[in-house]
Amino acid sequence: QQQVKQSPQSLIVQKGGISIINCAYENTAFDYFPWYQQFPGKGPALLIAIRPDVSEKKEGRFTISFNKSAKQFSLHIMDSQPGDSATYFCAASKRTGGSYIPTFGRGTSLIVHP
Amino acid sequence: KAGVTQTPRYLIKTRGQQVTLSCSPISGHRSVSWYQQTPGQGLQFLFEYFSETQRNKGNFPGRFSGRQFSNSRSEMNVSTLELGDSALYLCASSLEPGVTGQYFGPGTRLTVT
Repeated sequence: QQQVKQSPQSLIVQKGGISIINCAYENTAFDYFPWYQQFPGKGPALLIAIRPDVSEKKEGRFTISFNKSAKQFSLHIMDSQPGDSATYFCAASKRTGGSYIPTFGRGTSLIVHP
Repeated sequence: KAGVTQTPRYLIKTRGQQVTLSCSPISGHRSVSWYQQTPGQGLQFLFEYFSETQRNKGNFPGRFSGRQFSNSRSEMNVSTLELGDSALYLCASSLEPGVTGQYFGPGTRLTVT
C-alpha cells in the first residue's frame, strides 16, 4: 500500500516555466511534509518543508501548497532553470518514538530545457 | 563543516554473502538514520540510531541490522544477501531525534550478483 502518492513520474518544462509536482497522502497522523531534491550520484537534499497548520510556504522560487482537507500538497518551482533538473521526492513524516519517520513518494524526474 | 560521509561508495557482493556499510555523520550530529533506495520500491526507511540505541525500525527483515558507536558513527549490516538487496543505501544525520532537518550522505551503491 503506497501511503504517499506522487505525480507526475516525469516532467519536462521549458526554462522560465513553472514546474508543479503533486503528492497525496492517506494517514492523517502525518504532521511534517518535506520535499527533497536529488541529483545523480548524490543523496537527497532537503529543499523546503511545511507543517499542516500552514497552507502555503515560499522560499525563493520554491513554494509548497498544502490542502489539509484534501490530504494533498504540491511543490511549485517558479522560473524553472536547467540547474533545477533533478529528481524530486515528497515525504510525509509522523512522530514515532519522538522522531520524525518519513514515508517518501516515488519521485518525479524533472528536466528543464534551456 | 564536512557533510555526511559513507564508505564504501560502491560494492559488489555475491548472493549469500554479508556486507557492512559505514556512515560518519556531520560533526555534532548524534542521530543517524539509514534508508534503502531502489527503482522498484523508492526510498524506504530502514532504522534510526541515537546514543548507540536503535530508536525506530522500518519494515525490513532481520537480515538488516545496524549499530551506532559512541562517536555517533554508524554501521549497517546485511547478512545472507539476496539479489533484491541491490540498492543505494543512504545514511542521514541530524542533531538529535525530533529535529526535522536531516542531511543525507551520497550513499553506498550495493550490487548483489
